[in-house]
Amino acid sequence: DIVMTQSPDSLAVSLGERATINCKSSQSVLHSSNSKNYLVWYQQKPGQPPKLLIYWASTRESGVPDRFSGSGSGTDFTLTISSLQAEDVAVYYCQQYYSSPLTFGGGTKVEIK
Amino acid sequence: EVQLVESGGGLVQPGGSLRLSCAASGFTFSRYWMHWVRQAPGKGLVWVSRTNSDESITTYADSVKGRFTISRDNAKNTLFLQMNSLRAEDTAVYYCARGSSSCGNCYSDLWGRGTLVTVSS
Repeated sequence: DIVMTQSPDSLAVSLGERATINCKSSQSVLHSSNSKNYLVWYQQKPGQPPKLLIYWASTRESGVPDRFSGSGSGTDFTLTISSLQAEDVAVYYCQQYYSSPLTFGGGTKVEIK
Repeated sequence: EVQLVESGGGLVQPGGSLRLSCAASGFTFSRYWMHWVRQAPGKGLVWVSRTNSDESITTYADSVKGRFTISRDNAKNTLFLQMNSLRAEDTAVYYCARGSSSCGNCYSDLWGRGTLVTVSS
């Protein structure tokens, strides 16, 4: 199984400042056949189900604010919130879909400083 | 409205069984892969199972293989998860999720609100 490791476990960022979340996979999730990274990011607010933010590591889902961006390739990925808003308080998860079983990172809790 | 609504959760004793349902509406259910994902209280997300549009492909996490069965009724727009031989570690909120149209067996673009399963004596 591919192990997904997120860091940090939590972070507190001031409103309007940048938040950076890291995700590392135990093996590459870059598929050679199409040069796509099989990685997705979800946001889960308290008491709510997860919400799709970014897929193929860097493609923003329709309706997701452009302050959210994904980057990285191979085994190292980053979710960046360029200017943190109050409504961004949530737990963020990465997930790989390169191979079965699908596996998630442990989550990163983002709070307001 | 496009939505998924889970039901069937509750309290069950260890070794018992439970059948979860997920009612889909607002989209053509029969065209999509569907997934079950669970989340133990205060913990992270764990993928459980998925099935393709006609149930010809089903896959499971090792932790539930042989105990859980995913199925669907496309005529009734409903996804199921039959859970047998339940253990305390199966206690979680179970989410039903729709596979994306671009890669259905990959990630989910629509999630239900979940149903809580508690396994305890």
